Order: sequence, then C-alpha cells, then structure tokens
Amino acid sequence: SQKIEQNSEALNIQEGKTATLTCNYTNYSPAYLQWYRQDPGRGPVFLLLIRENEKEKRKERLKVTFDTTLKQSLFHITASQPADSATYLCALEEERNYGGSQGNLIFGKGTKLSVKP
Amino acid sequence: DAGVIQSPRHEVTEMGQEVTLRCKPISGHDYLFWYRQTMMRGLELLIYFNNNVPIDDSGMPEDRFSAKMPNASFSTLKIQPSEPRDSAVYFCASSLGDRTYGYTFGSGTRLTVV
Repeated sequence: SQKIEQNSEALNIQEGKTATLTCNYTNYSPAYLQWYRQDPGRGPVFLLLIRENEKEKRKERLKVTFDTTLKQSLFHITASQPADSATYLCALEEERNYGGSQGNLIFGKGTKLSVKP
Repeated sequence: DAGVIQSPRHEVTEMGQEVTLRCKPISGHDYLFWYRQTMMRGLELLIYFNNNVPIDDSGMPEDRFSAKMPNASFSTLKIQPSEPRDSAVYFCASSLGDRTYGYTFGSGTRLTVV
C-alpha cells in the first residue's frame, strides 16, 4: 500500500540546535516534494519545494534534501528558535498525465516540533 | 491580497442537516483544492478544480458530499445529510499553475456534527 511516514509525532530540541525531520514514502514515485508549517488553528503554510532531480534546496535557516533511492526527504532547521515550534508536514506530488498540470498533493501526518529556550 | 478566505470559521450542526462551506481563492490562482483534516487521517484531498472545472473528485467520501466552483472567485463544499463522522477541519487551498510557490491554504472551517 502507499504510505507517507514522518519519523515521529513529536520532536523536542533545545534552542540553537539543528532540528532534523524525516519523511519516508512507500509505493509512490513523486516528481515533487513540499514542506509546510502548520500552527494550531491555522492552515498549513508553504515553506519549500524540491524536485526529484534536485538533491538539496536551501532557504535561510531551512534545508531540504530529497533521496529518491532511499525514498526519503530530510528537513533541517538550523539554529532553531522557540518561534520555530509548530507542526511540519511533508507532501508529495506524482507526475500526472495532464500536460504538466498539477496533480494531487498528498500529505503526511506531520511532526510536532517543540524548541525549548 | 487577503489570502484564501473561508467561511464560516466554526460550524456546529445536528446530524442530518445540510452544511455548506465556502471558499474564496486568491485572485489569479487557477487551481482550487478542498482538504479535510482529522487527527486520525491527517490531511486528505477531497476534490480539486482547475479553471473552475473539477479535475479529480476521487477523494470525496460519498454521495453526501458535493463541490461546485461556479466562477473563479468562489467555491462551495456541501454535505447533505451531515453525519457525526464528518466532524473535521475543512481547508480550502489555491495555487498558481507554477507549483514553485506551493499551495496557499485558508484558515479552515471547523465542523462539528452532533
């Protein structure tokens, strides 16, 4: 069966450390993988997109890697801050035969990150 | 831009009643998505539209659910009749044809069916 698994439901780290979140998938062939942040009572907010032919993407303190052999994406937040505390969702999209148009974006259940001062 | 606007923010209704959720996407976005989020199942795609045309409704749970997009600035998700297991947060999202910018989600409608 198809699955997207995020390493743990919750991750607690100390301020200043690097947070590493894992997203593994089974029986998908994603062309794109995205990461979102969700705060309580709010909708997810887009952070980064990485394509299957890209190994790594960076944005400020964020870094995403994509390994299609391991079927895994890693999401890193360096120099973490209490304000980074939120739930982080990975989402993948398979290439669709609609002339390059967008297809279904399928989400993992998320990892709740808590950064302690 | 005010972002994706959903209404109402909260809805409590009795089992068997009709529920209508509303969404105004970001102007210029040509994709619109309806998702449902629960603790057990996470975020699930229900249906999505491209240029007001439904593309994939395979995630709609059953015939009690229907969605429309009469124009580029408005969409509805209707549940008739509602059941307690429909209780969830329903999100609307919109996006450009260029996925580089991801999806923009609304704040959601928390639906409780009693």
